[in-house]
Amino acid sequence: QITLKESGPTLVKPTQTLTLTCTFSGFSLSTSGVGVGWIRQPPGKALEWLALIYWDDDKRYSPSLKSRLTITKDTSKNQVVLTMTNMDPVDTGTYYCAHDHYYDRNGFDYWGQGTLVTVSS
Amino acid sequence: EIVMTQSPATLSVSPGERATLSCRASQSVSSNLAWYQQKPGQAPRLLIYDASTRATGIPARFSGGGSGTEFTLTISSLQSEDFAVYYCQQYNTWPLYTFGQGTKLEIK
Repeated sequence: QITLKESGPTLVKPTQTLTLTCTFSGFSLSTSGVGVGWIRQPPGKALEWLALIYWDDDKRYSPSLKSRLTITKDTSKNQVVLTMTNMDPVDTGTYYCAHDHYYDRNGFDYWGQGTLVTVSS
Repeated sequence: EIVMTQSPATLSVSPGERATLSCRASQSVSSNLAWYQQKPGQAPRLLIYDASTRATGIPARFSGGGSGTEFTLTISSLQSEDFAVYYCQQYNTWPLYTFGQGTKLEIK
């Protein structure tokens, strides 16, 4: 079955760079059409899509955060890494990774449990 | 950017009753709309995609409708486990996915 799990620091200081890793199983990012996305959620607030990466290394970013985000994949390790630079307290929230599909878009059908990131000095 | 607006923000319904949640898009998203359920401390769970297709394992009491700019999620007979926050998401303007602000479904 498909599972995803996020990992990374729980606390980062303002201006620092956040690096999150999504480790997944049950699918391969070398399979045509497969993608992984990152979504975040500030405490008590709505979901916000951040970035996507696909099997062919196509990368897409939220326009409002594009200058701060980088998404990469390691197919051999079944991992996707998201980096976000210049962290600010408003970036505090739970960060999720989720399974996507380029050809068969049906929303995000599998999600990780999420990882809470707090930005504070 | 397409803005998704959900209403109401909070809906109070008694167990066993029907609940209808609304989602409006600022421009047409065709039928490229999904609904998610999120319980406290949990990740969202996909309920409905393509506006009206239930995801795998989702009970038949959940149904979605609409197209274009107006969508609904109906829960026909509320169970205790259905009280949660529900989000809609459009994926018509790939890759610029956008979510609604959520509707909290609470016990009356």
